[in-house]
Amino acid sequence: GQSLEQPSEVTAVEGAIVQINCTYQTSGFYGLSWYQQHDGGAPTFLSYNALDGLEETGRFSSFLSRSDSYGYLLLQELQMKDSASYFCAVRDRSSASKIIFGSGTRLSIRP
Amino acid sequence: DTAVSQTPKYLVTQMGNDKSIKCEQNLGHDTMYWYKQDSKKFLKIMFSYNNKELIINETVPNRFSPKSPDKAHLNLHINSLELGDSAVYFCASSQDGQGARRNTIYFGEGSWLTVV
Repeated sequence: GQSLEQPSEVTAVEGAIVQINCTYQTSGFYGLSWYQQHDGGAPTFLSYNALDGLEETGRFSSFLSRSDSYGYLLLQELQMKDSASYFCAVRDRSSASKIIFGSGTRLSIRP
Repeated sequence: DTAVSQTPKYLVTQMGNDKSIKCEQNLGHDTMYWYKQDSKKFLKIMFSYNNKELIINETVPNRFSPKSPDKAHLNLHINSLELGDSAVYFCASSQDGQGARRNTIYFGEGSWLTVV
């Protein structure tokens, strides 16, 4: 089966850098995705890593280490609007259409 | 332009009633999904359709019945609603293919279902 673990809550200060970790267990692996969800809103896609290394998109970066079954989302120059829940997700290799989400990390940003 | 749209956005209904949620995507995607998000924000897949064919049917009560009249539409009908069905239901879609394209899911705005 597949499982993903991420911290339930993270708190950071505006302007700082925060890292949200995700470890996964899979019977096969296609890649790791990250989604952002604001309260009352829909999850929106942030990034996808299929290969090891760091992918940068503006203030957000995502890292993957397949050998460690580990990835993280790095948010820089935090803004109040970054307060949201962040989910990592993997595609289930046994059922290629099934994308499984972690339980989500609630990021709270203090002024 | 709304990519994935679902209606209604809010639904309050009594136990035992039957209700439907409609979903449409204008992205030309081949795969559509229904996800359920509970009060703890856990996102759990319920169903997945690829070109109108049922691909995934997780352990969901028979009271939940999806219907896909064409690949742009995936509706969810729920019979005999129970208190535990209260949740946010998200419709979503993704494109077939490889890499990021296949692993990017586009979500609708969600349907907030409250069973009283």
